[in-house]
Amino acid sequence: GAVVSQHPSRVICKSGTSVKIECRSLDFQATTMFWYRQFPKQSLMLMATSNEGSKATYEQGVEKDKFLINHASLTLSTLTVTSAHPEDSSFYICSAIGAGAYNEQFFGPGTRLTVL
Amino acid sequence: TQLLEQSPQFLSIQEGENLTVYCNSSSVFSSLQWYRQEPGEGPVLLVTVVTGGEVKKLKRLTFQFGDARKDSSLHITAAQPGDTGLYLCAGVNYSNDYKLSFGAGTTVTVRA
Repeated sequence: GAVVSQHPSRVICKSGTSVKIECRSLDFQATTMFWYRQFPKQSLMLMATSNEGSKATYEQGVEKDKFLINHASLTLSTLTVTSAHPEDSSFYICSAIGAGAYNEQFFGPGTRLTVL
Repeated sequence: TQLLEQSPQFLSIQEGENLTVYCNSSSVFSSLQWYRQEPGEGPVLLVTVVTGGEVKKLKRLTFQFGDARKDSSLHITAAQPGDTGLYLCAGVNYSNDYKLSFGAGTTVTVRA
């Protein structure tokens, strides 16, 4: 298979604190991972592309200093939401390009972030 | 920005009925993928279609890719409550770092 895990599955934090979310490819190596954000009843919105060993590429309108991405190994990418505020509350999902025939993305189970 | 229009947005049907979800774009894609997502979980890949005119079947689900590779459809035959979920189409161009352009999604509810 192409299994992607995320940790934690849900987190509640106080406004102003930072939260780190991990995304791991469990049975394959992923040079490219993606981070998405999803609001209730809506589709996925791409935030950034995470490339192993290099800087992440952020989509327009996404603050790179707010959402820090580190892809230090072929199986791990992290997203840190810095100085979180209630408007950052959302469902964050990562994906990784696996060993599919057409370089399909395989998604993690998501992380529910609630900022109080 | 490539846009994928997905319709309908919501679909509520009785168990045993058929349904079709459409995904349309003015842009050509290298391939198109269909995902199904349940509440609180990540999307799960159902199928990838690559060739124009291609038809793929996955049990009661039939996926079609348009001849011009701009549109796709998902047809479910004899829907069951277990088919309930958010269905997402996503197009990709291999020249664009394999980024996915998602449709808005179709929420399907199958009533027992």
